[in-house]
Amino acid sequence: GQQVMQIPQYQHVQEGEDFTTYCNSSTTLSNIQWYKQRPGGHPVFLIQLVKSGEVKKQKRLTFQFGEAKKNSSLHITATQTTDVGTYFCAVSISGSARQLTFGSGTQLTVLP
Amino acid sequence: DAGVIQSPRHEVTEMGQEVTLRCKPISGHDYLFWYRQTMMRGLELLIYFNNNVPIDDSGMPEDRFSAKMPNASFSTLKIQPSEPRDSAVYFCASSSSVADKYFGPGTRLTVT
Repeated sequence: GQQVMQIPQYQHVQEGEDFTTYCNSSTTLSNIQWYKQRPGGHPVFLIQLVKSGEVKKQKRLTFQFGEAKKNSSLHITATQTTDVGTYFCAVSISGSARQLTFGSGTQLTVLP
Repeated sequence: DAGVIQSPRHEVTEMGQEVTLRCKPISGHDYLFWYRQTMMRGLELLIYFNNNVPIDDSGMPEDRFSAKMPNASFSTLKIQPSEPRDSAVYFCASSSSVADKYFGPGTRLTVT
């Protein structure tokens, strides 16, 4: 079956430090989505990447899709305590964004 | 917009009992998804509907699980009989586009 690896599993950073989570697939992806889930909350859609080498920014968040469409990253610049949560990638290889496989997530803790 | 509505928010039941989870998607969304989240298995897609028709139920664990969508504004996920290993947070999500999914607050199910 489709395998997607997300690393690291946990990350503790001091407020103001940068943070990056990576999502890697063994197969070429059709698209990739990123979600954030606050503790006790539900996943919230952040962004979708479709094109090879695509880079998108949302304020302090930068999302990249690899040239080979097999990996992606989410980078947060100058973390804030509001960034706390688990960040998931969700991938599709079939071209159907409906059938997503979620990564295991990276749980981010930001220390004040 | 109230977002995706799920009920109940918490359910505690004894093994062998029937459990029914309910979801009201965002009005106008024609896709509805049921996910299950556990520490061990992460976020798993159980089933999804398009225009009230089940499209893919390959994620449904076994025959004890069933889902229905009698109309565009209501869906149920039923477990009968329930088992302790069914304990999880069950999310309903809806979508009208290729991109973002809107998740409900989830139902935390505990089967004792």
